Amino acid sequence: GAGVSQSPRYKVAKRGQDVALRCDPISGHVSLFWYQQALGQGPEFLTYFQNEAQLDKSGLPSDRFFAERPEGSVSTLKIQRTQQEDSAVYLCASSLDMNTEAFFGQGTRLTVV
Amino acid sequence: SQKIEQNSEALNIQEGKTATLTCNYTNYSPAYLQWYRQDPGRGPVFLLLIRENEKEKRKERLKVTFDTTLKQSLFHITASQPADSATYLCALPPTDSWGKLQFGAGTQVVVTP
Repeated sequence: GAGVSQSPRYKVAKRGQDVALRCDPISGHVSLFWYQQALGQGPEFLTYFQNEAQLDKSGLPSDRFFAERPEGSVSTLKIQRTQQEDSAVYLCASSLDMNTEAFFGQGTRLTVV
Repeated sequence: SQKIEQNSEALNIQEGKTATLTCNYTNYSPAYLQWYRQDPGRGPVFLLLIRENEKEKRKERLKVTFDTTLKQSLFHITASQPADSATYLCALPPTDSWGKLQFGAGTQVVVTP
C-alpha cells in the first residue's frame, strides 16, 4: 500500500474487554514500531520489531499488553482486560531500517468505558 | 533521566513571518535528531533529520539547526502560511537505542492570515 494502515480507526471497549489493533506497514519495511499517545503529549514508545523479531518491548506498560508480527509484515497489538488508563491513540510506524525516517499510520483511538 | 523539552505554549504567528521552535534535551548524546509535523487526528509526518555532525539543514521553507554543545535544536518555518498550522514534534534516539525514538510533547503553531 501507499502508506501505513491501521485498523480500526476508533475502538470503544468496555473495561475488562480484550482488544486487538492491527497495523499494515509499508511493504518492504523491516522495522515496525508501536507508540502510545495521550492527549497533548508526544508519542511514547511501546515496542519495536525488526522483521518478525521483537527486539525491544521495554515500553509496554504491563503484561496485559502483547504485540506480535509473526510473518514480518502485519503486526497486532493486543491489550487484555482493558482499563480506563489504556485510553489513548495507538500509533504504528514503519521504516526501511532502524535509524531512518519513520512513517506513521493514522492511529487507532481507543476509548475504554 | 533523559528528557526532551519543547515549548508547551502555542506559538501564534502572522502569515509571512518566521516561526522558530525550540527543542532542548538532557542526558542524551544523540547521533541525530528528527522533526515531525502532526495534524489533529493524524499520525506524525517526518519532516527533517539532522545528524550530529551537521550544524544546519534546509528543506524548502524549513530550516533546522543542531547544537550538540548547547543540547538544542531550533526549527524555523520561514514565510509561514496558514497551512503550516500544526503541532511540531522533535524526536531523538535514546542511548542504546535499537532505532526507537523518544518524542517531545510538541509545540502547536497557529499561523493567522
